[in-house]
Amino acid sequence: DAGVTQSPTHLIKTRGQQVTLRCSPKSGHDTVSWYQQALGQGPQFIFQYYEEEERQRGNFPDRFSGHQFPNYSSELNVNALLLGDSALYLCASSSQGVVHEQFFGPGTRLTVL
Amino acid sequence: AQKITQTQPGMFVQEKEAVTLDCTYDTSDQSYGLFWYKQPSSGEMIFLIYQGSYDEQNATEGRYSLNFQKARKSANLVISASQLGDSAMYFCAMRTPDSNYQLIWGAGTKLIIKP
Repeated sequence: DAGVTQSPTHLIKTRGQQVTLRCSPKSGHDTVSWYQQALGQGPQFIFQYYEEEERQRGNFPDRFSGHQFPNYSSELNVNALLLGDSALYLCASSSQGVVHEQFFGPGTRLTVL
Repeated sequence: AQKITQTQPGMFVQEKEAVTLDCTYDTSDQSYGLFWYKQPSSGEMIFLIYQGSYDEQNATEGRYSLNFQKARKSANLVISASQLGDSAMYFCAMRTPDSNYQLIWGAGTKLIIKP
């Protein structure tokens, strides 16, 4: 049973560029959450997708957008990259109604130069 | 306001000793869930243990146990018989109806196990 997978593992971009990160949830999970973790800090919630819709959003600008596909996989898009967007981006999957489970992928480490 | 506080930025513990990582939380909700995660240097966030606010027993998972003191709003993680592989960042997190779709995280504790 595959866990949560993310791609790519590492990514280097320059300021102003756009990036797309991908996540496949754990088998049986239908909900995907995205988090940004800056170096030395705890994760910050970006948004969550369920039934192909954004359900809730954290305090992130519109440059951060996402999508969920019918197979429950998800993408995180960031436009007009800033140096401050450099972070580890974590995807977590869960199942609606099962509050005690939220499993994370290995993350994508984004560096913006 | 909902908040998680981890007051220990770093801890050094001798191998095979037990270690307690502190976590206090603040919420006005009666129903909530508390999580502990381990994050090795590789970056992956590994789920360790969960405690629901209405659970009467303290949660245990192998060498991990959660010392849940509801009146004090405390949810400390206890690792028994520490091993070198336990060296990592440890995060406490909370989920409430108010934050129904997200985890609220503490700043983490860096645990280093000494041989």
